[in-house]
Amino acid sequence: AQSVTQPDIHITVSEGASLELRCNYSYGATPYLFWYVQSPGQGLQLLLKYFSGDTLVQGIKGFEAEFKRSQSSFNLRKPSVHWSDAAEYFCAVGEAGNTGKLIFGQGTTLQVKP
Amino acid sequence: GAGVSQSPRYKVAKRGQDVALRCDPISGHVSLFWYQQALGQGPEFLTYFQNEAQLDKSGLPSDRFFAERPEGSVSTLKIQRTQQEDSAVYLCASSRTAGGGVWNIQYFGAGTRLSVL
Repeated sequence: AQSVTQPDIHITVSEGASLELRCNYSYGATPYLFWYVQSPGQGLQLLLKYFSGDTLVQGIKGFEAEFKRSQSSFNLRKPSVHWSDAAEYFCAVGEAGNTGKLIFGQGTTLQVKP
Repeated sequence: GAGVSQSPRYKVAKRGQDVALRCDPISGHVSLFWYQQALGQGPEFLTYFQNEAQLDKSGLPSDRFFAERPEGSVSTLKIQRTQQEDSAVYLCASSRTAGGGVWNIQYFGAGTRLSVL
């Protein structure tokens, strides 16, 4: 069965420091991979996506992610974190079938220290 | 519309009451999804519509949950005889095309937070 694992439930970084959020997936075929961000009381906003091609993808707000098939990973990175990045981050794999439903990880809560 | 709209934003129900949650997808979007997000968890798929057809309802937790999209636009998720374990945020998402694939980017509403007392 398809699944997504985000090993870190909570991460705290200092403002200006670099960030890496981990995501591992289990999927039989080439996955469609997504990172979403959710601020309190808000819906999910798409940060970036990977469908095929270049394994390093750029997203909004200065985020990037790298697809590594050999490690079944799709880690999210940002070189310098801003206080406004504090939120919950979800990695998801899309089912490339009849529905395209998303399977989400548990999420990682990012706290940014001043 | 500009985005996916959900109403109400908050709903408090007494155990045993029926509730109805509404989703207005982005105009022209073919696909519509409902997800349930329990506290501290990632969203979990409930059901999928392609236009007015409900093609997948494998995620609905019980027969107390029912969803419809009669004209292929607005959708309603109904929960009958609510129970405390139904307390969660219910998210609606829409996408431009049908099914999975390169263009199936889902846009989410802000959700309805349901609290069952």
